[in-house]
Amino acid sequence: DVKVTQSSRYLVKRTGEKVFLECVQDMDHENMFWYRQDPGLGLRLIYFSYDVKMKEKGDIPEGYSVSREKKERFSLILESASTNQTSMYLCASSSPGQGNQPQHFGDGTRLSIL
Amino acid sequence: GDSVTQMEGPVTLSEEAFLTINCTYTATGYPSLFWYVQYPGEGLQLLLKATKADDKGSNKGFEATYRKETTSFHLEKGSVQVSDSAVYFCALTNQAGTALIFGKGTTLSVSS
Repeated sequence: DVKVTQSSRYLVKRTGEKVFLECVQDMDHENMFWYRQDPGLGLRLIYFSYDVKMKEKGDIPEGYSVSREKKERFSLILESASTNQTSMYLCASSSPGQGNQPQHFGDGTRLSIL
Repeated sequence: GDSVTQMEGPVTLSEEAFLTINCTYTATGYPSLFWYVQYPGEGLQLLLKATKADDKGSNKGFEATYRKETTSFHLEKGSVQVSDSAVYFCALTNQAGTALIFGKGTTLSVSS
């Protein structure tokens, strides 16, 4: 089974801090994704990556950056955390294909910015 | 742009009731369609998928048929169980085929 592991289930940080969320997958997937999930808004794509050192902006990239130095690891960075970034963050991975490959999700990181 | 619209919840049912969660989409081209389920405290899991018109995806008693003429992918189950209580997300691939676009999710609560 594919395993996507997010480094923390719960995280509390302060406004202005630089925050790192880590995600590791064990299936050698080329594609990796970061979403945030908010009540009433569903999942929104922040960034994705289809190869090492490659990244693409999703729908809501402002205030975030990403890093993909190794194929199995995809990091989400909040450069200067703000309270409106309090949310559930979900990482996913998938193999390449013409959009018909399912994404496999981690259990999420619930981030609170105080 | 491409989008997914799901019926708003919560949906509250008794055990063994019939379930329908409506999903319609707007898309250019022929996207693949998915249903994901999120159990409390967990990430999303793929429930079923369909990659072309008239395909039927099925898993764990759930079914959904890709209807191009009505741009719909409604989720159905004949007899729900308490363990089906979760949030259900309909999704489609974006035009580039590189990412998924999700609906807002529908919460299902099943009581015994």
